[in-house]
Amino acid sequence: KNQVEQSPQSLIILEGKNCTLQCNYTVSPFSNLRWYKQDTGRGPVSLTIMTFSENTKSNGRYTATLDADTKQSSLHITASQLSDSASYICVVSPMDSNYQLIWGAGTKLIIKP
Amino acid sequence: DTAVSQTPKYLVTQMGNDKSIKCEQNLGHDTMYWYKQDSKKFLKIMFSYNNKELIINETVPNRFSPKSPDKAHLNLHINSLELGDSAVYFCASSQRGGVNEQFFGPGTRLTVL
Repeated sequence: KNQVEQSPQSLIILEGKNCTLQCNYTVSPFSNLRWYKQDTGRGPVSLTIMTFSENTKSNGRYTATLDADTKQSSLHITASQLSDSASYICVVSPMDSNYQLIWGAGTKLIIKP
Repeated sequence: DTAVSQTPKYLVTQMGNDKSIKCEQNLGHDTMYWYKQDSKKFLKIMFSYNNKELIINETVPNRFSPKSPDKAHLNLHINSLELGDSAVYFCASSQRGGVNEQFFGPGTRLTVL
């Protein structure tokens, strides 16, 4: 069964610190893996999209990595800001479906001043 | 200059009623989606339309009926609302295909009393 699991479920860090969020998936084969940021009360916003052949992709202070062999991805946030408080969701697109996405439950990140 | 818009943002109604949620995108995308996000925060796809043609129809009660009058609009009509329908419903759009980034609307919070 195609699954995407994220850890930790929630994380609290101080402003200015770095953090890393994890994503393990069983979707195989897959065409791409995405990280979304969802602010409370808003729709998800795409941070990065990596194809199966990419290892890393950055978007400002966000850096996503992908290890297709171990089926793991991580999202590293550098020098966190209060506005980074949100849920971060890992999403995998199966190769055999052009429209279907498999969503993780997300990691809820809280940045404290 | 809103990219994907939904109305209404909040919807409170009684069990048994029929209601509609409207979605419009001005991005020129071919594909539109409806997602349901329940209290556990999982995003589950309900429907996907490509150029007004139904592509994905997940296991959703037939009380839910999407309608796409043109490729810029995808409305969701729900008949005989039940308590379990309470959730946040998100509309999204993308260029054709799951490899492309999906852009989400702000969500409609539906509460069934």
